[in-house]
Amino acid sequence: QKEVEQDPGPLSVPEGAIVSLNCTYSNSAFQYFMWYRQYSRKGPELLMYTYSSGNKEDGRFTAQVDKSSKYISLFIRDSQPSDSATYLCAMGGAGGTSYGKLTFGQGTILTVHP
Amino acid sequence: NAGVMQNPRHLVRRRGQEARLRCSPMKGHSHVYWYRQLPEEGLKFMVYLQKENIIDESGMPKERFSAEFPKEGPSILRIQQVVRGDSAAYFCASSPYSRAGLYNEQFFGPGTRLTVL
Repeated sequence: QKEVEQDPGPLSVPEGAIVSLNCTYSNSAFQYFMWYRQYSRKGPELLMYTYSSGNKEDGRFTAQVDKSSKYISLFIRDSQPSDSATYLCAMGGAGGTSYGKLTFGQGTILTVHP
Repeated sequence: NAGVMQNPRHLVRRRGQEARLRCSPMKGHSHVYWYRQLPEEGLKFMVYLQKENIIDESGMPKERFSAEFPKEGPSILRIQQVVRGDSAAYFCASSPYSRAGLYNEQFFGPGTRLTVL
Protein backbone atom coordinates (compact mmCIF):
# COMPACT_ATOMS: atom_id res chain seq x y z
CA GLN A 1 0.00 0.00 0.00
CA LYS A 2 1.31 3.45 -0.92
CA GLU A 3 1.76 5.91 1.93
CA VAL A 4 -0.15 8.56 -0.03
CA GLU A 5 -2.92 7.81 -2.51
CA GLN A 6 -4.20 10.34 -5.01
CA ASP A 7 -6.66 9.82 -7.84
CA PRO A 8 -4.65 10.54 -11.00
CA GLY A 9 -7.72 11.64 -12.96
CA PRO A 10 -7.60 13.14 -15.49
CA LEU A 11 -10.18 15.67 -14.43
CA SER A 12 -11.82 17.94 -16.98
CA VAL A 13 -14.15 20.78 -15.92
CA PRO A 14 -15.68 23.87 -17.51
CA GLU A 15 -14.41 27.31 -16.60
CA GLY A 16 -16.02 28.58 -13.40
CA ALA A 17 -16.57 25.14 -11.88
CA ILE A 18 -15.59 24.17 -8.37
CA VAL A 19 -12.83 21.57 -8.38
CA SER A 20 -12.22 19.08 -5.59
CA LEU A 21 -8.90 17.24 -5.36
CA ASN A 22 -8.28 14.61 -2.70
CA CYS A 23 -5.60 12.48 -1.10
CA THR A 24 -5.60 9.83 1.57
CA TYR A 25 -2.60 8.72 3.59
CA SER A 26 -1.69 5.88 5.88
CA ASN A 27 1.17 7.26 7.98
CA SER A 28 -0.27 9.01 11.02
CA ALA A 29 3.18 10.49 11.76
CA PHE A 30 2.83 13.09 9.01
CA GLN A 31 2.69 16.54 10.59
CA TYR A 32 2.23 18.94 7.71
CA PHE A 33 0.39 18.81 4.45
CA MET A 34 0.92 20.65 1.20
CA TRP A 35 -0.49 21.10 -2.25
CA TYR A 36 1.81 21.77 -5.18
CA ARG A 37 0.93 22.75 -8.72
CA GLN A 38 3.08 21.56 -11.59
CA TYR A 39 2.76 22.86 -15.11
CA SER A 40 3.93 20.66 -17.95
CA ARG A 41 7.72 20.21 -17.96
CA LYS A 42 8.19 22.58 -15.02
CA GLY A 43 9.10 22.13 -11.37
CA PRO A 44 6.39 21.95 -8.68
CA GLU A 45 5.37 25.21 -7.03
CA LEU A 46 3.83 25.40 -3.59
CA LEU A 47 0.17 26.43 -3.44
CA MET A 48 -0.73 25.90 0.19
CA TYR A 49 0.45 24.18 3.33
CA THR A 50 -1.16 23.44 6.67
CA TYR A 51 -0.31 21.73 9.95
CA SER A 52 -3.58 21.06 11.62
CA SER A 53 -6.97 19.61 10.89
CA GLY A 54 -9.45 22.13 9.54
CA ASN A 55 -9.67 24.53 6.63
CA LYS A 56 -7.24 27.10 5.30
CA GLU A 57 -8.27 29.54 2.62
CA ASP A 58 -6.16 31.57 0.20
CA GLY A 59 -8.03 33.39 -2.53
CA ARG A 60 -9.80 30.85 -4.70
CA PHE A 61 -8.07 27.93 -2.99
CA THR A 62 -9.14 26.12 0.18
CA ALA A 63 -7.10 23.33 1.75
CA GLN A 64 -8.84 20.95 4.11
CA VAL A 65 -7.21 18.41 6.43
CA ASP A 66 -8.94 15.70 8.43
CA LYS A 67 -6.28 13.92 10.46
CA SER A 68 -8.75 11.53 12.07
CA SER A 69 -9.71 10.19 8.64
CA LYS A 70 -6.23 10.69 7.15
CA TYR A 71 -7.76 12.66 4.30
CA ILE A 72 -6.83 15.98 2.71
CA SER A 73 -8.55 18.01 0.02
CA LEU A 74 -7.94 21.04 -2.14
CA PHE A 75 -10.89 23.03 -3.46
CA ILE A 76 -10.55 25.48 -6.32
CA ARG A 77 -13.40 27.94 -6.76
CA ASP A 78 -14.19 29.73 -10.02
CA SER A 79 -11.67 27.61 -11.87
CA GLN A 80 -9.80 29.23 -14.75
CA PRO A 81 -8.08 27.77 -17.82
CA SER A 82 -4.79 28.91 -16.25
CA ASP A 83 -5.45 26.43 -13.42
CA SER A 84 -4.91 23.58 -15.88
CA ALA A 85 -1.96 21.68 -14.45
CA THR A 86 -1.05 18.64 -12.40
CA TYR A 87 -1.83 19.00 -8.70
CA LEU A 88 0.29 17.09 -6.23
CA CYS A 89 -0.45 16.55 -2.59
CA ALA A 90 2.58 16.17 -0.34
CA MET A 91 3.17 15.35 3.30
CA GLY A 92 6.10 15.70 5.62
CA GLY A 93 7.45 15.86 9.12
CA ALA A 94 7.23 12.15 9.79
CA GLY A 95 9.99 12.28 12.36
CA GLY A 96 13.42 10.77 12.85
CA THR A 97 15.78 11.46 9.99
CA SER A 98 12.72 11.58 7.71
CA TYR A 99 11.76 15.07 8.86
CA GLY A 100 13.15 16.63 5.70
CA LYS A 101 11.50 14.22 3.31
CA LEU A 102 8.27 15.00 1.47
CA THR A 103 6.05 12.14 0.37
CA PHE A 104 3.98 12.95 -2.70
CA GLY A 105 0.78 11.61 -4.16
CA GLN A 106 0.73 10.52 -7.77
CA GLY A 107 -0.73 13.83 -8.95
CA THR A 108 -4.10 14.70 -10.50
CA ILE A 109 -4.13 16.13 -14.01
CA LEU A 110 -6.68 18.95 -14.21
CA THR A 111 -7.93 20.60 -17.39
CA VAL A 112 -10.21 23.64 -17.21
CA HIS A 113 -11.76 24.33 -20.59
CA PRO A 114 -13.21 27.72 -21.59
CA ASN B 1 16.93 36.42 -5.83
CA ALA B 2 17.48 33.59 -8.26
CA GLY B 3 15.55 30.41 -7.66
CA VAL B 4 16.89 26.88 -7.53
CA MET B 5 18.99 26.23 -10.60
CA GLN B 6 19.53 22.88 -12.21
CA ASN B 7 21.69 21.93 -15.12
CA PRO B 8 21.64 20.55 -17.60
CA ARG B 9 17.92 20.83 -18.29
CA HIS B 10 18.07 17.90 -20.67
CA LEU B 11 20.62 15.10 -20.67
CA VAL B 12 20.89 12.19 -23.06
CA ARG B 13 23.08 9.23 -22.21
CA ARG B 14 23.64 5.80 -23.68
CA ARG B 15 23.34 2.73 -21.51
CA GLY B 16 26.45 2.25 -19.41
CA GLN B 17 27.51 5.91 -19.39
CA GLU B 18 27.56 8.19 -16.35
CA ALA B 19 25.11 11.01 -15.70
CA ARG B 20 25.93 14.02 -13.52
CA LEU B 21 23.12 16.33 -12.51
CA ARG B 22 23.84 19.63 -10.80
CA CYS B 23 21.76 21.70 -8.42
CA SER B 24 22.50 25.17 -7.06
CA PRO B 25 20.17 25.98 -4.16
CA MET B 26 18.61 29.35 -3.58
CA LYS B 27 20.88 31.91 -1.98
CA GLY B 28 21.05 31.37 1.75
CA HIS B 29 19.71 27.81 1.59
CA SER B 30 21.92 25.08 3.00
CA HIS B 31 19.52 22.13 2.67
CA VAL B 32 19.11 20.26 -0.60
CA TYR B 33 16.72 17.48 -1.56
CA TRP B 34 16.64 15.33 -4.67
CA TYR B 35 13.45 13.77 -6.07
CA ARG B 36 12.80 11.60 -9.10
CA GLN B 37 9.65 11.70 -11.19
CA LEU B 38 9.00 8.76 -13.46
CA PRO B 39 6.50 9.18 -16.32
CA GLU B 40 2.95 9.59 -14.99
CA GLU B 41 4.06 9.21 -11.39
CA GLY B 42 4.45 11.60 -8.50
CA LEU B 43 7.77 12.72 -7.13
CA LYS B 44 9.74 10.17 -5.14
CA PHE B 45 12.20 11.31 -2.50
CA MET B 46 15.78 10.20 -3.06
CA VAL B 47 18.14 12.00 -0.70
CA TYR B 48 18.41 14.94 1.69
CA LEU B 49 21.75 16.68 2.15
CA GLN B 50 23.22 19.52 4.10
CA LYS B 51 26.61 20.97 3.32
CA GLU B 52 29.11 18.08 3.42
CA ASN B 53 26.56 15.76 5.08
CA ILE B 54 24.03 13.22 3.89
CA ILE B 55 21.09 13.38 6.30
CA ASP B 56 18.66 10.91 4.76
CA GLU B 57 19.37 8.69 1.78
CA SER B 58 16.52 6.28 2.35
CA GLY B 59 15.17 6.82 -1.18
CA MET B 60 18.42 6.25 -3.04
CA PRO B 61 18.85 3.01 -4.98
CA LYS B 62 21.53 0.93 -3.31
CA GLU B 63 23.77 0.77 -6.36
CA ARG B 64 24.99 3.20 -9.03
CA PHE B 65 23.50 6.32 -7.41
CA SER B 66 25.37 8.78 -5.22
CA ALA B 67 24.91 12.37 -4.12
CA GLU B 68 27.05 15.05 -2.58
CA PHE B 69 26.76 18.64 -1.46
CA PRO B 70 30.26 20.01 -0.98
CA LYS B 71 31.20 23.01 1.10
CA GLU B 72 31.64 25.00 -2.10
CA GLY B 73 29.75 24.52 -5.32
CA PRO B 74 26.53 22.84 -6.35
CA SER B 75 25.02 19.60 -5.18
CA ILE B 76 25.69 16.71 -7.56
CA LEU B 77 23.55 13.66 -8.20
CA ARG B 78 25.64 11.03 -9.95
CA ILE B 79 24.30 7.98 -11.72
CA GLN B 80 26.85 5.46 -12.88
CA GLN B 81 26.28 2.93 -15.65
CA VAL B 82 22.86 4.28 -16.53
CA VAL B 83 20.09 1.96 -17.67
CA ARG B 84 16.87 2.73 -19.54
CA GLY B 85 14.90 2.59 -16.30
CA ASP B 86 16.83 5.63 -15.05
CA SER B 87 15.06 7.80 -17.65
CA ALA B 88 13.07 10.30 -15.61
CA ALA B 89 12.86 13.90 -14.51
CA TYR B 90 15.12 14.63 -11.55
CA PHE B 91 14.15 17.57 -9.38
CA CYS B 92 16.19 19.34 -6.79
CA ALA B 93 14.67 21.41 -3.99
CA SER B 94 16.23 23.59 -1.35
CA SER B 95 15.16 25.05 1.97
CA PRO B 96 16.75 27.54 4.35
CA TYR B 97 16.50 25.20 7.33
CA SER B 98 14.97 21.94 8.35
CA ARG B 99 14.05 20.99 11.88
CA ALA B 100 12.15 18.03 13.17
CA GLY B 101 8.49 18.83 13.62
CA LEU B 102 8.65 22.17 11.84
CA TYR B 103 7.40 22.93 8.38
CA ASN B 104 10.20 23.65 5.94
CA GLU B 105 9.14 24.99 2.59
CA GLN B 106 11.03 23.34 -0.18
CA PHE B 107 11.55 25.37 -3.33
CA PHE B 108 11.90 23.29 -6.44
CA GLY B 109 14.10 23.76 -9.46
CA PRO B 110 12.95 23.23 -13.06
CA GLY B 111 14.34 19.70 -13.19
CA THR B 112 16.74 17.75 -15.37
CA ARG B 113 15.18 15.37 -17.85
CA LEU B 114 17.40 12.36 -18.31
CA THR B 115 16.91 10.14 -21.33
CA VAL B 116 18.84 6.90 -21.55
CA LEU B 117 19.09 5.44 -25.04
